[in-house]
Amino acid sequence: AQSVTQLGSHVSVSEGALVLLRCNYSSSVPPYLFWYVQYPNQGLQLLLKYTSAATLVKGINGFEAEFKKSETSFHLTKPSAHMSDAAEYFCAVSDRPLTGGGNKLTFGTGTQLKVEL
Amino acid sequence: DGGITQSPKYLFRKEGQNVTLSCEQNLNHDAMYWYRQDPGQGLRLIYYSQIVNDFQKGDIAEGYSVSREKKESFPLTVTSAQKNPTAFYLCASVGGDRVNQPQHFGDGTRLSIL
Repeated sequence: AQSVTQLGSHVSVSEGALVLLRCNYSSSVPPYLFWYVQYPNQGLQLLLKYTSAATLVKGINGFEAEFKKSETSFHLTKPSAHMSDAAEYFCAVSDRPLTGGGNKLTFGTGTQLKVEL
Repeated sequence: DGGITQSPKYLFRKEGQNVTLSCEQNLNHDAMYWYRQDPGQGLRLIYYSQIVNDFQKGDIAEGYSVSREKKESFPLTVTSAQKNPTAFYLCASVGGDRVNQPQHFGDGTRLSIL
């Protein structure tokens, strides 16, 4: 069974500092991994996805993530935090398609990012 | 613009009442999903549907029901059997049959008990 662990339910950084949000996964087969961002009272927006084409994945808003199979990790980073990055971030894994189409995502419990002046 | 529309944005339920949350998509996606979000618990899958007139239970289906009579619509009913319905409910959809496709989300419905 697949699972996702996000270390740190709350992360606080200063504006301009490095953002690092951790995600570790468990999967019996090569996984597909996603990072989503959620602003208050809104749905989830896709930041980036890993689909085995390249281990370093670049997403929107200056975020990127690196897939490390040996560490079963897919940490999200951004070199310089901006106030607008304050939101909740979710890591999700999908390791096999559903019979008949679609996929089944397993989500981590989320990390709330706070950006301080 | 294509997307997923959830309504209403806020909903209040009285004791013993069933309420229905609407989810409509114009992305021509076959698969649709309902998630429940509680603080600190991430998203948990309630039901999903891969094709019209077919749906499957997710991890927390008890106290909920769905229908899929049209490709673009996947309403969720929170029944009186769901004793703790207060949560943020998210609808999602995905197209294609590949496991690497990201799900697209609506803006959610927040349900509270009166």
